[in-house]
Amino acid sequence: GNSVTQMEGPVTLSEEAFLTINCTYTATGYPSLFWYVQYPGEGLQLLLKATKADDKGSNKGFEATYRKETTSFHLEKGSVQVSDSAVYFCALSDQNNFNKFYFGSGTKLNVKP
Amino acid sequence: GAVVSQHPSWVICKSGTSVKIECRSLDFQATTMFWYRQFPKQSLMLMATSNEGSKATYEQGVEKDKFLINHASLTLSTLTVTSAHPEDSSFYICSAGRTYGSYEQYFGPGTRLTVT
Repeated sequence: GNSVTQMEGPVTLSEEAFLTINCTYTATGYPSLFWYVQYPGEGLQLLLKATKADDKGSNKGFEATYRKETTSFHLEKGSVQVSDSAVYFCALSDQNNFNKFYFGSGTKLNVKP
Repeated sequence: GAVVSQHPSWVICKSGTSVKIECRSLDFQATTMFWYRQFPKQSLMLMATSNEGSKATYEQGVEKDKFLINHASLTLSTLTVTSAHPEDSSFYICSAGRTYGSYEQYFGPGTRLTVT
């Protein structure tokens, strides 16, 4: 079956620190992979995506590379800001099943000034 | 862009009453919409898949008679929580996919339901 596992939080960093949030997946086919961000009281916003192996998604300084050999899609940012504080969800979509999404448990990021 | 709206964004209702939540794709047609439930500090749990013009497909453990889903057009799906109870209080989020092109899902902003 399909599933997503991401590192538990919260992750607390100082401003300008390097961020890595690990995400691994299990899938029966060839899924697309996503990172979504959720700010307090709001819905999910797409942060970045990758649709095939070795693709790198990037946005707002965040990036993640679709690694089929390690079934991973780790999120990285070189220098975090206080405004990056949010919950980050890794997800995959199953194109063979009505594009159903499978979400990881979410990782809360706290960035301190 | 691809925008999905939800209405209302926040609703309080009394125990035993029913509440309807709307999910609209504003600038694209969506043959499939999904409804999720999110508990505080937890991930999204898929409740059901809503296909335009047909019955919704519910995930295991979701009561279809309690959570009524209707997908009457390519731009509108509704979720009705019937005979709501305090344990139904949650954040409900819908998503929609385009009819053509990318299979990416676009998420609505969510509806916070509080049952007193």
